[in-house]
Amino acid sequence: GQQVMQIPQYQHVQEGEDFTTYCNSSTTLSNIQWYKQRPGGHPVFLIQLVKSGEVKKQKRLTFQFGEAKKNSSLHITATQTTDVGTYFCAEIVGNMLTFGGGTRLMVKP
Amino acid sequence: EAGVTQFPSHSVIEKGQTVTLRCDPISGHDNLYWYRRVMGKEIKFLLHFVKESKQDESGMPNNRFLAERTGGTYSTLKVQPAELEDSGVYFCASSQSSYEQYFGPGTRLTVT
Repeated sequence: GQQVMQIPQYQHVQEGEDFTTYCNSSTTLSNIQWYKQRPGGHPVFLIQLVKSGEVKKQKRLTFQFGEAKKNSSLHITATQTTDVGTYFCAEIVGNMLTFGGGTRLMVKP
Repeated sequence: EAGVTQFPSHSVIEKGQTVTLRCDPISGHDNLYWYRRVMGKEIKFLLHFVKESKQDESGMPNNRFLAERTGGTYSTLKVQPAELEDSGVYFCASSQSSYEQYFGPGTRLTVT
């Protein structure tokens, strides 16, 4: 079945540094969603991208969907300790979410 | 508005025992989903209810897992008999449309 690969698996950054996580698929994605899970918490929906080349911003977070709709990225500018958590990408087909493995972000104050 | 709730938050059982997980979706959400994250792996879809009907149960690992949603409100997921590889975090989610799913806090199941 469809697999969404996410890299890196872990990332340690110093507070104030930037952070990027990438999702890749061997086949065309119909859409891409991004979720954040705080330590000990549950996935919380951040955004959905649908169009080829789409870019959306939420404050310090920038989400991109590749031109070929086979990859996506989430970039955080000037990380803060509140950004700590695991970021998941996922494709939704029908009502079923297929998640990437997640990138765990750790921020050193 | 209350979010998705799950009970229990943690469960530790021995191999061969039975465990029942409960999920209460957001009021008015017809769609209810079960997902599971086994240690070190990605979150995987188990099944989807629309009201009381199973819409898609393609992710259920085997017949030791039984999900129900009688009356179209809360749902239960029973594992009988539990095996070691069933350990993980079981998430429930609900939605009104397919666009955005709201996840519950999860139940951490440990099978020893």
